[in-house]
Order: sequence, then structure tokens, then C-alpha cells
Amino acid sequence: GAVVSQHPSRVICKSGTSVKIECRSLDFQATTMFWYRQFPKQSLMLMATSNEGSKATYEQGVEKDKFLINHASLTLSTLTVTSAHPEDSSFYICSARAGTGGSQHFGDGTRLSIL
Amino acid sequence: AQTVTQSQPEMSVQEAETVTLSCTYDTSESNYYLFWYKQPPSRQMILVIRQEAYKQQNATENRFSVNFQKAAKSFSLKISDSQLGDTAMYFCAFMNPMSRDDKIIFGKGTRLHILP
Repeated sequence: GAVVSQHPSRVICKSGTSVKIECRSLDFQATTMFWYRQFPKQSLMLMATSNEGSKATYEQGVEKDKFLINHASLTLSTLTVTSAHPEDSSFYICSARAGTGGSQHFGDGTRLSIL
Repeated sequence: AQTVTQSQPEMSVQEAETVTLSCTYDTSESNYYLFWYKQPPSRQMILVIRQEAYKQQNATENRFSVNFQKAAKSFSLKISDSQLGDTAMYFCAFMNPMSRDDKIIFGKGTRLHILP
């Protein structure tokens, strides 16, 4: 149980393109989803926390207009990287949690490469 | 603010040996969760073990066990009979379930190499 599906796993696109990444909880309802960014050989950096039906809470230094997060249902959150540039290239991982205090279950991540 | 410190950036051990990864944390809370996550080269994040701070008994999961020292704020991971598949990045993590956002705070990780 507690499976989180993240799609796509790999994206390569041109500079200026907007890219949408989906995070789905397949067998549980996720009241909260988290979006992380991971640079090579570094730890996960939390970008934002999204609760179903409300606006996402962004961490300091993360541009909310650049990284749009939508959590429209209890099983789906999306991260849209708008007008992506090469510096946005990174590994993005989502996680989902069923309720307060529960363990986070991670998606398999998305490797984003902007040319 | 809570912090998680992993003082060993990289470690290597021979297959079948036992290895201990260190983790210390700082918090003023009395109730919290601690985790060890494994991230193999595939970059999946896999939960290895979880410890609730109110439990005195150390958590175990097959070959993986922790040494939780609450007073010392230490949470080390022991891997017994290490296997090649244990090669991965290991992250120690902290979560306060009573905080408004109860997000997970990760350490910087320890890269573990199991040598044949």
C-alpha cells in the first residue's frame, strides 16, 4: 500500500517551455503533498507544501510564480515549471501523506533537463 | 529551528560487514518522529525505518536497526550483514507531528558503498 506515482520520469525540453509534473496517490487519500528539488549529490530541498483545496505554502526563496502548484483533489497534485530555463534543470520529487503525523510516501521523481 | 546533522559524507565497507551511520539532531520538542531513508542510484526514496520519540525501544527492520538516544539527540542506523544492494545515499530525517506544517527535515546524507 501507500503508492505514489509521479509522471513523467524524464523530461527534456527547450528553454521557455512550461512543464507540468503530476503526483498521484494511488491507494490512499493525500491531504498533504510536498514538492522537493534535489541537486546532484545533495539532500532534498523542500520547495512547497500543498494541502488539498487550498493554496500551497512555499519555502523561502522559492518563486511561486515560477513553480505553480495545484492540489485540486485528494489524490493529485501538480507542479508546473513555467517558462523553464536551464537553471531549472534538476531532479524534482513529490511526496504524499495521508493525515497529520503520518509517514511521507515518495514518488520516483522527475528528471528535468532544459536545453 | 530543528536541524539534522550527518557527519559522515561517505563510507565504504566490505560486503557482509556491519556498518553504522551517525545522525544527530536538535530540537526542543519532546514528541517527534525520526526516519532513515535510503536513496539508491535509481533515486527512489525508500523509507528504511521510523522511530517515534516517545518509544524507548529501538526500532528494527530485518537487518536494519537504530540506536536512539533521546537525551543525546542521537539516532544512528546499523546495517548488519551488509549487501551490495545496500549501496545508496542514506538520509536521516526529523518530523514534528504537532507543528503547523509538519514537514520533514532532512540531513545532508551519507553515501554508503558496499564493496564486493
